[in-house]
Amino acid sequence: QKEVEQNSGPLSVPEGAIASLNCTYSDRGSQSFFWYRQYSGKSPELIMFIYSNGDKEDGRFTAQLNKASQYVSLLIRDSQPSDSATYLCAVKRDSSYKLIFGSGTRLLVRP
Amino acid sequence: DGGITQSPKYLFRKEGQNVTLSCEQNLNHDAMYWYRQDPGQGLRLIYYSQIVNDFQKGDIAEGYSVSREKKESFPLTVTSAQKNPTAFYLCASSITRTGGYEQYFGPGTRLTVT
Repeated sequence: QKEVEQNSGPLSVPEGAIASLNCTYSDRGSQSFFWYRQYSGKSPELIMFIYSNGDKEDGRFTAQLNKASQYVSLLIRDSQPSDSATYLCAVKRDSSYKLIFGSGTRLLVRP
Repeated sequence: DGGITQSPKYLFRKEGQNVTLSCEQNLNHDAMYWYRQDPGQGLRLIYYSQIVNDFQKGDIAEGYSVSREKKESFPLTVTSAQKNPTAFYLCASSITRTGGYEQYFGPGTRLTVT
């Protein structure tokens, strides 16, 4: 079992829809969770981080964390074609500064 | 402007040659990291450093070496012992205080070894 799992996709949504990206993790001691966006051929860009159970909103993005079920999700409202990218979930284990990355979910937003 | 720079953007080498990838940051971050990304895969940690003159192996350190003589710089050497060196190499940095572990990435170096 991978430490951080994501569906590779592609997840295809129409423009204006809500895109829902999910990530599960295996280490119950994980404390910090991050979402990165990576355009093809580019480096990852941090878009959200969340440390506490519940929702955290930033513009069109909402991160949701459920530690009891060991999953974290990213919602993108009013999806735009420019949101088409691979979204990487990363988890920090409590004992280290290291982040463990999932393999990413590819999102396609259809005009 | 604060940020992380990596050079060169593209690098081509012959098999058997060592090559050094540069990473510099002016964010005043204590910690720096090197990752490798292969097509369609996530990031795998090669080495990381939390303070100057100290670094630790990540998950795939074999065939790589690093140094951390200055806070701003964390160069990575890909040695001839690395069996599959062709990949996208990413450098990142972060602060190390409680509640601030988010990592920021440089633009990456794409290494091709033939």
